[in-house]
Amino acid sequence: SQTIHQWPATLVQPVGSPLSLECTVEGTSNPNLYWYRQAAGRGLQLLFYSVGIGQISSEVPQNLSASRPQDRQFILSSKKLLLSDSGFYLCAWTEGMNTEAFFGQGTRLTVV
Amino acid sequence: GQQVMQIPQYQHVQEGEDFTTYCNSSTTLSNIQWYKQRPGGHPVFLIQLVKSGEVKKQKRLTFQFGEAKKNSSLHITATQTTDVGTYFCAGPRDSNYQLIWGAGTKLIIKP
Repeated sequence: SQTIHQWPATLVQPVGSPLSLECTVEGTSNPNLYWYRQAAGRGLQLLFYSVGIGQISSEVPQNLSASRPQDRQFILSSKKLLLSDSGFYLCAWTEGMNTEAFFGQGTRLTVV
Repeated sequence: GQQVMQIPQYQHVQEGEDFTTYCNSSTTLSNIQWYKQRPGGHPVFLIQLVKSGEVKKQKRLTFQFGEAKKNSSLHITATQTTDVGTYFCAGPRDSNYQLIWGAGTKLIIKP
Protein backbone atom coordinates (compact mmCIF):
# COMPACT_ATOMS: atom_id res chain seq x y z
CA SER A 1 0.00 0.00 0.00
CA GLN A 2 1.03 3.59 -0.51
CA THR A 3 2.27 5.78 2.30
CA ILE A 4 3.44 9.35 2.52
CA HIS A 5 5.97 10.58 5.02
CA GLN A 6 6.50 14.19 5.91
CA TRP A 7 8.87 15.60 8.48
CA PRO A 8 9.43 17.23 10.85
CA ALA A 9 6.04 17.44 12.54
CA THR A 10 6.78 20.75 14.22
CA LEU A 11 9.45 23.35 13.67
CA VAL A 12 10.29 26.66 15.28
CA GLN A 13 12.70 28.75 13.26
CA PRO A 14 14.02 32.30 13.65
CA VAL A 15 13.34 34.91 11.02
CA GLY A 16 16.01 34.85 8.34
CA SER A 17 16.94 31.23 8.86
CA PRO A 18 16.74 28.62 6.06
CA LEU A 19 14.07 25.98 5.75
CA SER A 20 13.98 22.48 4.36
CA LEU A 21 10.91 20.27 4.59
CA GLU A 22 10.96 16.83 3.07
CA CYS A 23 8.23 14.56 1.85
CA THR A 24 8.53 11.05 0.47
CA VAL A 25 5.97 8.68 -0.96
CA GLU A 26 6.25 4.91 -0.90
CA GLY A 27 4.42 2.23 -2.78
CA THR A 28 3.77 4.07 -6.02
CA SER A 29 5.73 5.44 -8.93
CA ASN A 30 5.54 8.76 -10.75
CA PRO A 31 3.09 10.36 -8.31
CA ASN A 32 1.93 13.93 -8.70
CA LEU A 33 3.28 15.79 -5.68
CA TYR A 34 1.99 18.93 -3.99
CA TRP A 35 2.95 21.38 -1.27
CA TYR A 36 0.12 23.27 0.43
CA ARG A 37 0.12 25.83 3.20
CA GLN A 38 -2.73 26.30 5.62
CA ALA A 39 -2.96 29.34 7.89
CA ALA A 40 -4.65 28.76 11.23
CA GLY A 41 -8.36 28.15 10.75
CA ARG A 42 -8.15 28.71 7.01
CA GLY A 43 -8.29 26.72 3.79
CA LEU A 44 -5.55 25.16 1.70
CA GLN A 45 -3.27 27.30 -0.42
CA LEU A 46 -1.41 25.43 -3.16
CA LEU A 47 2.24 26.45 -3.23
CA PHE A 48 3.88 24.04 -5.69
CA TYR A 49 3.12 20.92 -7.61
CA SER A 50 5.15 18.49 -9.65
CA VAL A 51 4.15 15.91 -12.20
CA GLY A 52 7.63 14.46 -12.64
CA ILE A 53 11.27 14.59 -11.60
CA GLY A 54 12.68 18.07 -12.00
CA GLN A 55 9.28 19.52 -12.99
CA ILE A 56 7.98 22.17 -10.60
CA SER A 57 5.02 24.49 -11.05
CA SER A 58 4.72 27.43 -8.71
CA GLU A 59 1.37 28.89 -7.82
CA VAL A 60 2.24 31.72 -5.48
CA PRO A 61 5.29 33.97 -5.86
CA GLN A 62 7.12 34.10 -2.56
CA ASN A 63 10.43 33.29 -0.93
CA LEU A 64 9.79 29.55 -1.00
CA SER A 65 11.04 27.07 -3.57
CA ALA A 66 10.47 23.41 -4.24
CA SER A 67 12.52 20.63 -5.76
CA ARG A 68 11.91 17.05 -6.79
CA PRO A 69 15.30 15.37 -6.92
CA GLN A 70 13.85 11.85 -7.05
CA ASP A 71 10.59 10.39 -8.29
CA ARG A 72 9.02 10.08 -4.85
CA GLN A 73 10.77 12.89 -3.00
CA PHE A 74 9.53 16.47 -2.77
CA ILE A 75 11.36 19.18 -0.87
CA LEU A 76 10.19 22.62 0.18
CA SER A 77 12.90 25.17 0.89
CA SER A 78 13.54 28.73 1.80
CA LYS A 79 16.80 30.63 2.04
CA LYS A 80 15.46 33.17 4.53
CA LEU A 81 12.22 32.70 6.43
CA LEU A 82 9.78 35.52 7.05
CA LEU A 83 7.28 35.79 9.89
CA SER A 84 4.52 35.40 7.32
CA ASP A 85 5.86 31.94 6.41
CA SER A 86 4.40 30.52 9.61
CA GLY A 87 1.68 27.98 9.01
CA PHE A 88 0.81 24.35 8.57
CA TYR A 89 2.60 22.85 5.57
CA LEU A 90 1.10 19.82 3.95
CA CYS A 91 2.57 17.53 1.35
CA ALA A 92 0.18 15.50 -0.77
CA TRP A 93 0.25 13.11 -3.68
CA THR A 94 -2.19 11.95 -6.33
CA GLU A 95 -1.99 9.11 -8.75
CA GLY A 96 -3.67 10.71 -11.72
CA MET A 97 -5.02 13.95 -13.03
CA ASN A 98 -8.40 14.01 -11.28
CA THR A 99 -7.91 11.51 -8.51
CA GLU A 100 -8.07 11.88 -4.76
CA ALA A 101 -5.24 13.46 -2.83
CA PHE A 102 -3.43 11.76 0.03
CA PHE A 103 -1.82 14.02 2.59
CA GLY A 104 1.14 13.71 4.87
CA GLN A 105 0.81 14.46 8.56
CA GLY A 106 1.91 18.05 8.03
CA THR A 107 4.59 20.30 9.48
CA ARG A 108 3.58 23.06 11.81
CA LEU A 109 6.11 25.85 11.22
CA THR A 110 6.40 28.81 13.54
CA VAL A 111 8.76 31.59 12.52
CA VAL A 112 9.81 33.70 15.49
CA GLY B 1 -10.69 32.55 -12.55
CA GLN B 2 -12.13 29.21 -11.58
CA GLN B 3 -13.43 29.23 -8.01
CA VAL B 4 -15.11 26.91 -5.54
CA MET B 5 -17.17 28.64 -2.89
CA GLN B 6 -18.11 26.77 0.26
CA ILE B 7 -20.63 27.81 2.91
CA PRO B 8 -21.09 28.24 5.76
CA GLN B 9 -17.66 28.93 7.22
CA TYR B 10 -18.74 27.57 10.60
CA GLN B 11 -21.70 25.63 11.87
CA HIS B 12 -22.44 25.14 15.54
CA VAL B 13 -24.79 22.27 16.30
CA GLN B 14 -25.96 20.37 19.31
CA GLU B 15 -24.93 16.76 19.30
CA GLY B 16 -27.64 14.84 17.51
CA GLU B 17 -28.59 17.69 15.19
CA ASP B 18 -27.94 17.61 11.48
CA PHE B 19 -25.17 19.43 9.61
CA THR B 20 -24.93 20.52 6.00
CA THR B 21 -22.19 22.20 3.98
CA TYR B 22 -22.55 23.44 0.42
CA CYS B 23 -20.10 23.93 -2.43
CA ASN B 24 -20.61 25.93 -5.57
CA SER B 25 -18.21 26.02 -8.48
CA SER B 26 -17.93 28.81 -11.01
CA THR B 27 -17.46 26.19 -13.73
CA THR B 28 -18.67 22.68 -14.47
CA LEU B 29 -16.57 20.09 -12.68
CA SER B 30 -15.55 16.67 -13.93
CA ASN B 31 -15.81 15.46 -10.35
CA ILE B 32 -15.97 16.79 -6.83
CA GLN B 33 -14.14 15.43 -3.83
CA TRP B 34 -14.81 15.78 -0.13
CA TYR B 35 -12.25 15.74 2.65
CA LYS B 36 -12.38 15.89 6.44
CA GLN B 37 -9.72 17.49 8.57
CA ARG B 38 -9.82 16.77 12.28
CA PRO B 39 -8.48 19.50 14.60
CA GLY B 40 -4.68 19.43 14.42
CA GLY B 41 -4.73 16.82 11.68
CA HIS B 42 -4.40 16.60 7.94
CA PRO B 43 -7.18 16.39 5.34
CA VAL B 44 -8.44 12.89 4.72
CA PHE B 45 -10.27 11.91 1.57
CA LEU B 46 -13.90 10.94 2.11
CA ILE B 47 -15.45 10.47 -1.30
CA GLN B 48 -15.45 11.44 -4.95
CA LEU B 49 -18.60 12.14 -6.97
CA VAL B 50 -18.43 11.96 -10.74
CA LYS B 51 -21.89 11.68 -12.26
CA SER B 52 -24.48 14.40 -12.65
CA GLY B 53 -27.09 14.10 -9.89
CA GLU B 54 -25.08 11.46 -8.06
CA VAL B 55 -25.92 10.71 -4.44
CA LYS B 56 -23.68 8.60 -2.24
CA LYS B 57 -24.00 7.62 1.38
CA GLN B 58 -21.47 6.67 3.99
CA LYS B 59 -23.34 5.73 7.15
CA ARG B 60 -24.71 9.07 8.43
CA LEU B 61 -23.04 11.11 5.66
CA THR B 62 -24.87 11.87 2.41
CA PHE B 63 -23.05 13.45 -0.51
CA GLN B 64 -24.78 14.96 -3.52
CA PHE B 65 -23.49 16.25 -6.85
CA GLY B 66 -25.77 18.66 -8.67
CA GLU B 67 -27.35 18.01 -12.03
CA ALA B 68 -25.25 20.72 -13.64
CA LYS B 69 -22.11 19.39 -11.92
CA LYS B 70 -21.44 22.82 -10.46
CA ASN B 71 -22.63 22.30 -6.91
CA SER B 72 -22.42 19.71 -4.20
CA SER B 73 -23.45 19.16 -0.63
CA LEU B 74 -22.50 17.06 2.35
CA HIS B 75 -25.17 16.30 4.92
CA ILE B 76 -24.50 14.62 8.24
CA THR B 77 -27.47 13.19 10.09
CA ALA B 78 -27.49 13.15 13.89
CA THR B 79 -24.00 14.54 14.45
CA GLN B 80 -21.67 12.92 16.92
CA THR B 81 -18.56 14.25 18.64
CA THR B 82 -16.45 12.20 16.24
CA ASP B 83 -17.78 14.34 13.38
CA VAL B 84 -16.02 17.44 14.68
CA GLY B 85 -13.59 18.93 12.17
CA THR B 86 -13.47 20.93 9.00
CA TYR B 87 -15.02 19.59 5.83
CA PHE B 88 -13.56 20.64 2.50
CA CYS B 89 -14.79 20.19 -1.02
CA ALA B 90 -12.38 20.26 -3.95
CA GLY B 91 -12.72 20.06 -7.70
CA PRO B 92 -10.16 19.65 -10.45
CA ARG B 93 -8.94 22.75 -12.23
CA ASP B 94 -9.47 22.49 -15.98
CA SER B 95 -6.62 20.99 -17.95
CA ASN B 96 -4.06 20.51 -15.24
CA TYR B 97 -3.24 18.57 -12.14
CA GLN B 98 -4.51 20.97 -9.52
CA LEU B 99 -7.47 20.78 -7.21
CA ILE B 100 -9.40 23.93 -6.40
CA TRP B 101 -10.40 23.88 -2.76
CA GLY B 102 -13.35 25.35 -0.98
CA ALA B 103 -12.54 27.33 2.15
CA GLY B 104 -14.01 24.59 4.35
CA THR B 105 -16.86 24.39 6.83
CA LYS B 106 -15.95 23.87 10.44
CA LEU B 107 -18.36 21.68 12.37
CA ILE B 108 -18.49 22.60 16.04
CA ILE B 109 -20.48 20.61 18.55
CA LYS B 110 -21.95 22.81 21.28
CA PRO B 111 -21.19 21.56 24.79
